[in-house]
Amino acid sequence: QKEVEQNSGPLSVPEGAIASLNCTYSDRGSQSFFWYRQYSGKSPELIMFIYSNGDKEDGRFTAQLNKASQYVSLLIRDSQPSDSATYLCAVSYNTDKLIFGTGTRLQVFP
Amino acid sequence: EAEVAQSPRYKITEKSQAVAFWCDPISGHATLYWYRQILGQGPELLVQFQDESVVDDSQLPKDRFSAERLKGVDSTLKIQPAELGDSAMYLCASSSQGRDTEAFFGQGTRLTVV
Repeated sequence: QKEVEQNSGPLSVPEGAIASLNCTYSDRGSQSFFWYRQYSGKSPELIMFIYSNGDKEDGRFTAQLNKASQYVSLLIRDSQPSDSATYLCAVSYNTDKLIFGTGTRLQVFP
Repeated sequence: EAEVAQSPRYKITEKSQAVAFWCDPISGHATLYWYRQILGQGPELLVQFQDESVVDDSQLPKDRFSAERLKGVDSTLKIQPAELGDSAMYLCASSSQGRDTEAFFGQGTRLTVV
């Protein structure tokens, strides 16, 4: 069984701080990596994807991928209360199979 | 803006009854996924279609769940009979075929079995 693991949290950070969310995966055949944000009662919303080792930046979000260590992370700079949500890590394989972790709940307090 | 359509948004059904959910993916998306998400957990893949073919249904409880995508466009997920433990959010997502493509979700169907 392929696995994607995340700390369930909650991760609490003050407004304006950097939030760091981590995800590890077990299958070295994993090819694509995604971060979704999910507000309570809503469906997941794609916020970042990364395919190659290194960093990828998009606004306040930076995704980091290290295939050798099998982890992917998401950094949120200048965290805002509106960033409070559950962040889901997802991993895709060569058949386009998309597997999710359990999510990390982020709380940004004013 | 193109989006994945799902219906109904909410469904309450009695246990042992049949229930069905419908999904219309983004136009042109060959891959369609059905996920089940229990409160506090991540989405669990139930079935993945590539056009009209099932690619993966290893986690689909086939004694009571069925899924079809007859013309390779919209899809239906059915539960018969429903059990109390089936209460969850059922999410449909779609993506275009191939590597390096992102999946987009519909709004989901919240099922409550009483």
